[in-house]
Amino acid sequence: DAKTTQPPSMDCAEGRAANLPCNHSTISGNEYVYWYRQIHSQGPQYIIHGLKNNETNEMASLIITEDRKSSTLILPHATLRDTAVYYCIVRVVGTGNQFYFGTGTSLTVIP
Amino acid sequence: NAGVTQTPKFQVLKTGQSMTLQCAQDMNHEYMSWYRQDPGMGLRLIHYSVGAGITDQGEVPNGYNVSRSTTEDFPLRLLSAAPSQTSVYFCASSIGQGTGELFFGEGSRLTVL
Repeated sequence: DAKTTQPPSMDCAEGRAANLPCNHSTISGNEYVYWYRQIHSQGPQYIIHGLKNNETNEMASLIITEDRKSSTLILPHATLRDTAVYYCIVRVVGTGNQFYFGTGTSLTVIP
Repeated sequence: NAGVTQTPKFQVLKTGQSMTLQCAQDMNHEYMSWYRQDPGMGLRLIHYSVGAGITDQGEVPNGYNVSRSTTEDFPLRLLSAAPSQTSVYFCASSIGQGTGELFFGEGSRLTVL
């Protein structure tokens, strides 16, 4: 599976959009991009995933560049409850579903 | 649905003791896995299973055993606990080898003295 690179930490003002970048320059054609987050010491929570098209759900938007070498998770109106560690993962479909988590980005939403 | 249930939530062991961390899911998921999380290390995959009767090793399998006799349960066994196994353990499951999301339990915090 391709490795990902994320900034270790970011701040965002409450009510503003939080844009979390992820670099996956060695991604292969059959690898999906997944985003999870972990609030405090709880189990990670799925946010969104995509292959090459931009995706949006009730939690966030995922923007994947045309060459698929990077992506951005967008939380449109960050709240204090969005303070968490965000993990970007790339994963090959059909390999037994292994998800390999890195150290992620620690997002702090500031009042 | 209860989702993924882990027990116990907290456990203190002495070096050399054995114990089993339990994980159960009620979503009929084929895939189950165990991760450990140490400070500053992210989550690391210990063992996983793609279905009943099938298990395989992840990144850090040494010191741990697993079995998958039923679809619902995936226990993690520590045969002889070591201080290096002090960690928070998470169990997770997903539908199968498709693009389904991974569902996590709330974690089990283990301290080995």
